[in-house]
Amino acid sequence: EPEVTQTPSHQVTQMGQEVILRCVPISNHLYFYWYRQILGQKVEFLVSFYNNEISEKSEIFDDQFSVERPDGSNFTLKIRSTKLEDSAMYFCASSEPPGEQYFGPGTRLTVT
Amino acid sequence: AQTVTQSQPEMSVQEAETVTLSCTYDTSESNYYLFWYKQPPSRQMILVIRQEAYKQQNATENRFSVNFQKAAKSFSLKISDSQLGDTAMYFCAFMTLGNIFGTGTRLKVLA
Repeated sequence: EPEVTQTPSHQVTQMGQEVILRCVPISNHLYFYWYRQILGQKVEFLVSFYNNEISEKSEIFDDQFSVERPDGSNFTLKIRSTKLEDSAMYFCASSEPPGEQYFGPGTRLTVT
Repeated sequence: AQTVTQSQPEMSVQEAETVTLSCTYDTSESNYYLFWYKQPPSRQMILVIRQEAYKQQNATENRFSVNFQKAAKSFSLKISDSQLGDTAMYFCAFMTLGNIFGTGTRLKVLA
């Protein structure tokens, strides 16, 4: 069964550093998403991406964040200058035309 | 703005019993999707069940079923014959383009 994959599973970085989180969505899906979940809290929507551009973003998704689909398979989330409060689990998801979203296993980001 | 509310932060149920998790939401849209996701300790997000708002029939998936009351904007999840493996956080979600998640209900199934 096709699945969304994410790498790395755990990323540790120092405050102020740039990080790139990688995702490989399901191959025939057209919509891609990033979410984050701070430990013990709910899952929060960050951004959705369709047809090589952002289709919707939340207030959390400020200028520190960017997304890219550099090739036909990867979907990345970049945080330019990480802050302590960026420590969270980051989930990638994908879907066919908006409907059921399939989530990846997540990347745990720890900012020290 | 759409909101999703889960008023039960924690619940427990005896193995083989039935439990109902509540969820309410607020929206002005008429067409949308609602989901229940399960998040076990591994923190993987697993889709449990989905409901299209235009469908009056409540969705059912094996031991999981929903009670969807569109007018009341209520979307509860019933788990029948609870199993130890059902122990997890359960999130209700409302879908526009992204998903809007509730704060979750931590369910513990007791042996």
